[in-house]
Amino acid sequence: GESVGLHLPTLSVQEGDNSIINCAYSNSASDYFIWYKQESGKGPQFIIDIRSNMDKRQGQRVTVLLNKTVKHLSLQIAATQPGDSAVYFCAENANTGNQFYFGTGTSLTVIP
Amino acid sequence: GAGVSQSPRYKVTKRGQDVTLRCDPISSHATLYWYQQALGQGPEFLTYFNYEAQPDKSGLPSDRFSAERPEGSISTLTIQRTEQRDSAMYRCASSQSGIGELFFGEGSRLTVL
Repeated sequence: GESVGLHLPTLSVQEGDNSIINCAYSNSASDYFIWYKQESGKGPQFIIDIRSNMDKRQGQRVTVLLNKTVKHLSLQIAATQPGDSAVYFCAENANTGNQFYFGTGTSLTVIP
Repeated sequence: GAGVSQSPRYKVTKRGQDVTLRCDPISSHATLYWYQQALGQGPEFLTYFNYEAQPDKSGLPSDRFSAERPEGSISTLTIQRTEQRDSAMYRCASSQSGIGELFFGEGSRLTVL
């Protein structure tokens, strides 16, 4: 199988527990953020997004929190399931164009 | 099409050769992106198109890289005189308007020997 890069943060959680994945961004002009899930061998898939005029947004089993003061984004996954095992990326857009810039990613492993 | 389609899925080439990768976005989508993704890392922005216009190509690593979308639909990414450091997964994504969900293709894995 593919090896994971040396600098990819990892998180292991027990099935049924809640997961929190964090992301720091550097561009204070970024005003739109998306969380993506990438399973092994696949392209990133949209999970949830949030605009800078909000500090919290909820989806199905997922919540995104945005703290613009410290330029921090988090993804909370409730009742984590084995199917949630993947690499999670945050992506930011600065509204100066359509470019989205991705973070390093966090590898989530759910232990049955 | 139903999703973003990329070809070839795998390409092995010798150093110095030129390669062209193709992306067929979702048919209603105006915006198309190219990303480079190394193993274990996040996608790195290369360039994007709004229809046939290419507003930003600042992410292209060198002038050996170029992208086209002449009719505002299918796009190609060409790497001239490939080098081993070009080995990576190249991902194409499209979105309806440029602000919103990006739909990614399965990628083209390039290996330069």
